[in-house]
Amino acid sequence: AQSVTQLGSHVSVSEGALVLLRCNYSSSVPPYLFWYVQYPNQGLQLLLKYTTGATLVKGINGFEAEFKKSETSFHLTKPSAHMSDAAEYFCAVSGGYQKVTFGIGTKLQVIP
Amino acid sequence: NAGVTQTPKFRILKIGQSMTLQCTQDMNHNYMYWYRQDPGMGLKLIYYSVGAGITDKGEVPNGYNVSRSTTEDFPLRLELAAPSQTSVYFCASSVPGTGSEKLFFGSGTQLSVL
Repeated sequence: AQSVTQLGSHVSVSEGALVLLRCNYSSSVPPYLFWYVQYPNQGLQLLLKYTTGATLVKGINGFEAEFKKSETSFHLTKPSAHMSDAAEYFCAVSGGYQKVTFGIGTKLQVIP
Repeated sequence: NAGVTQTPKFRILKIGQSMTLQCTQDMNHNYMYWYRQDPGMGLKLIYYSVGAGITDKGEVPNGYNVSRSTTEDFPLRLELAAPSQTSVYFCASSVPGTGSEKLFFGSGTQLSVL
């Protein structure tokens, strides 16, 4: 069984401030971990993913995430928020094959 | 590149009506999926397919049916629409693999059942 917990369904940050979106996972096998972003009225797009190897993963638009096995976490960060980052972000886990489990999502608001 | 295309974008159904949500992809992906997205609930897998002629249930299959006669198309059928099926539906596709592969999503179908 696998699951994802995203802490905070809504996060607000000021433009230029650090973005931190939290994700904890549960998986009975070594997981594959993903962050997807959804802009209004669009489908989800992959931001970044962790498979194996380096635990710090860099993605598009300046986002990165760190896989911490001991904490079962995969938090998403960006040093400086832009207005264009306002969207909903989904953490997801896959324990193999193609059954990906998504978290409930975190809506990011960027305040000018 | 068209990617994953879903039609229609919006639809209102009356209780008990039926409809088919269409999904087609032009990337020659073997794997295709249907998810529903409800506020505060994330995405839930309805059905998936690993190739033409092969489908399997996901987490929330009740009230839905699928077929996969070609690699490109993966329609989702609602036979007797219920208010609980009001949701946004996303079709997705990926290449085969170990589960680490990226999902490509369509832009969604917003369905209301009244």
